[in-house]
Amino acid sequence: GAGVSQSPSNKVTEKGKDVELRCDPISGHTALYWYRQSLGQGLEFLIYFQGNSAPDKSGLPSDRFSAERTGGSVSTLTIQRTQQEDSAVYLCASSSGQGAMGEKLFFGSGTQLSVL
Amino acid sequence: GDSVTQMEGPVTLSEEAFLTINCTYTATGYPSLFWYVQYPGEGLQLLLKATKADDKGSNKGFEATYRKETTSFHLEKGSVQVSDSAVYFCALRGSGGYQKVTFGTGTKLQVIP
Repeated sequence: GAGVSQSPSNKVTEKGKDVELRCDPISGHTALYWYRQSLGQGLEFLIYFQGNSAPDKSGLPSDRFSAERTGGSVSTLTIQRTQQEDSAVYLCASSSGQGAMGEKLFFGSGTQLSVL
Repeated sequence: GDSVTQMEGPVTLSEEAFLTINCTYTATGYPSLFWYVQYPGEGLQLLLKATKADDKGSNKGFEATYRKETTSFHLEKGSVQVSDSAVYFCALRGSGGYQKVTFGTGTKLQVIP
């Protein structure tokens, strides 16, 4: 596609429910990133994919968080048993993955998650 | 691990004032350095970048110089405009095959007429 697409744009859920957030990267981009943006907390790294594998999952806050990527394209971030502290904007970004030093990230518009 | 520290905001300036937003980093090897900007209601986008020591990135009147001796990449603009009001993020990409991009906490800039 023309840009990084994320869905839904907004998600309101009840505490304890599971949610799935979707990211559709730019076609041909092999690198995909998930970040979380909380008020006053900046951008918190969650996970990075190169193709379908995730070399770095170090940012996932707990085992309630998981992510997968299939076909080297679409990625899904799943949060199980949501808690109020999970409320944030979840951002997805992609890049060509060619390893160039100045390679830039292209960001989606994010999913605003609100846990009541 | 890699980390980025940038000055806390918010920063409030009058139009045509000089802007500096400080950014320092910790990383092994020779990372690439970036400034991303998030305008109100918009997604993050790259503002400028530098890939090696002493490189200067520039765009839209903004500049930043990669200073390896001080591990810094401060963002500057000589004369800010109201339209520059946004949140600015300093970031680094590690060297080598690993491509994690680490961001600072962001600095909110408000320019008043």
